Amino acid sequence: NAGVMQNPRHLVRRRGQEARLRCSPMKGHSHVYWYRQLPEEGLKFMVYLQKENIIDESGMPKERFSAEFPKEGPSILRIQQVVRGDSAAYFCASSPAGPRDTQYFGPGTRLTVL
Amino acid sequence: GEDVEQSLFLSVREGDSSVINCTYTDSSSTYLYWYKQEPGAGLQLLTYIFSNMDMKQDQRLTVLLNKKDKHLSLRIADTQTGDSAIYFCAESSNTGGFKTIFGAGTRLFVKA
Repeated sequence: NAGVMQNPRHLVRRRGQEARLRCSPMKGHSHVYWYRQLPEEGLKFMVYLQKENIIDESGMPKERFSAEFPKEGPSILRIQQVVRGDSAAYFCASSPAGPRDTQYFGPGTRLTVL
Repeated sequence: GEDVEQSLFLSVREGDSSVINCTYTDSSSTYLYWYKQEPGAGLQLLTYIFSNMDMKQDQRLTVLLNKKDKHLSLRIADTQTGDSAIYFCAESSNTGGFKTIFGAGTRLFVKA
């Protein structure tokens, strides 16, 4: 049973470009969570999604950031018009049945904005 | 809001025990977790404890929970160089829909 998959593992973008981060949850998991880790800091919750629905986006910046988890395919975290402050590691986690369940993490995507 | 705090660094000698401490503020915490992050990798769940438990042991790992003081600790017996990593304490509760709140991580250095 493959774990949570994220790609790309490393992403470099110039200021103003768009970044698309993908997350495929573990088989059988329909709940996905995105976290951001700034250098030397812990993980900060961004958004929680269930198939085709955003359940909690209280940690997501109001502008430029969006997330989706379509019926088919991976969850996507999209950052438009990236700025240097968006440089961070973005981790995806999944769980089988909601946030009461243990979350299993992917290896992360390290975004660098030049 | 909810907060989780940890000391940033811990250095031990190989073979000694390591104790990593964590405090949290949410009195309604239901689950408390310890995750391990090795360089360049994602987080690996090491162990977790329900808030109605005081202690949980799993091989070399012992988790102690003092709910009154909102204090959680992770003890690693016979620490090995392969245990060098960042250890994150995290908690979740029904406050805010079981959102998981992470500490900043404790960097464990194991000296041979």
